[in-house]
Amino acid sequence: EAQVTQNPRYLITVTGKKLTVTCSQNMNHEYMSWYRQDPGLGLRQIYYSMNVEVTDKGDVPEGYKVSRKEKRNFPLILESPSPNQTSLYFCASSPQGAEVDEQYFGPGTRLTVT
Amino acid sequence: DQQVKQNSPSLSVQEGRISILNCDYTNSMFDYFLWYKKYPAEGPTFLISISSIKDKNEDGRFTVFLNKSAKHLSLHIVPSQPGDSAVYFCAASSGTYKYIFGTGTRLKVLA
Repeated sequence: EAQVTQNPRYLITVTGKKLTVTCSQNMNHEYMSWYRQDPGLGLRQIYYSMNVEVTDKGDVPEGYKVSRKEKRNFPLILESPSPNQTSLYFCASSPQGAEVDEQYFGPGTRLTVT
Repeated sequence: DQQVKQNSPSLSVQEGRISILNCDYTNSMFDYFLWYKKYPAEGPTFLISISSIKDKNEDGRFTVFLNKSAKHLSLHIVPSQPGDSAVYFCAASSGTYKYIFGTGTRLKVLA
């Protein structure tokens, strides 16, 4: 089944404790992206990757890191999480990242930072 | 600065009637627009899109209209069904691999 998977689905952590949210897609897509969803703010793009080893900042990259060492994986790293990073996170992928491409979203990861 | 705005946080419609969801944008460089639907506890799923060279795109019960001069697009769902109850996001892109999403409109279709 073609899909985007994210792990973990739920995570509660404390301020400053490094964490990684994994994202994997099995559709051989070139483009992958991370978003966060917050009440009243909709979905905001954090980082995106056009291909292996090629990443760039979205609208809200502060406090996040990403890497794209393999085509299928695009982990989101929070080196020192803070409470304002409590949010619902979505990973997405699309064939080329071209405008005409629809993005396929993962099920989401709900992160709480205390 | 919210470049893509969905000014109606929620909308209720009777089953069988038309649902109209609106989206406004400020950046004239946007040239491609998409609508996504999101159910609770799931990721968004693609619904329909439109290029700035068109003013209308139709897919079954879903039609998107684009008014470039007004920087406004709308999604029409006819007829509305209870299964359409979800949060709808519009998104815009200017060909830079970046996507700007609106804040979403929660649609409730009443049986």
